[in-house]
Amino acid sequence: ETGVTQTPRHLVMGMTNKKSLKCEQHLGHNAMYWYKQSAKKPLELMFVYSLEERVENNSVPSRFSPECPNSSHLFLHLHTLQPEDSALYLCASSQVGGANEKLFFGSGTQLSVL
Amino acid sequence: QKEVEQDPGPLSVPEGAIVSLNCTYSNSAFQYFMWYRQYSRKGPELLMYTYSSGNKEDGRFTAQVDKSSKYISLFIRDSQPSDSATYLCAMSLNQAGTALIFGKGTTLSVSS
Repeated sequence: ETGVTQTPRHLVMGMTNKKSLKCEQHLGHNAMYWYKQSAKKPLELMFVYSLEERVENNSVPSRFSPECPNSSHLFLHLHTLQPEDSALYLCASSQVGGANEKLFFGSGTQLSVL
Repeated sequence: QKEVEQDPGPLSVPEGAIVSLNCTYSNSAFQYFMWYRQYSRKGPELLMYTYSSGNKEDGRFTAQVDKSSKYISLFIRDSQPSDSATYLCAMSLNQAGTALIFGKGTTLSVSS
């Protein structure tokens, strides 16, 4: 395994379902991110765990709940989503405090909310 | 005014053409400028990384930053069908990954 891996690649869920997205990074980085990518919109930063501390983002609805059990794994728990939450959800990692904090992205989970 | 403006295209060119992709921005304090390439059904990958003004070249790719005009460009020489992708510009005040502001991306199609 190399880089940043995300599962599942595709997810279809109803508005009453609960599901989780998983991300794992194999780069030895100390920060992990969730981004949302919607059609015709810029990448939107949702959550950051940097040095195992969560950076809050008050603009993200509470139906999205992140979890970072260690520096290599990141989850995004989803419940009672809305159709407008359909998007590509990207995980990324970086090395905080390095020469430059370049982001490395996974391939994303394409989420469809029915 | 949005912080970063990028024409979404699509942009279609024949193989071998020179491609110019651009972004404008409003925050004169941005210091770090990046271009990401995103293939269909993949995540973005870092293509070019530039600090402050000037040019940076890597093979067929050249990144230019004009801070006086608040304008950045990515040039692709001798474009290939494999260059077909969405190109995202990104910029930040500092090196922190949390500070990146992305453009919407420009979709490029290179036909053989």
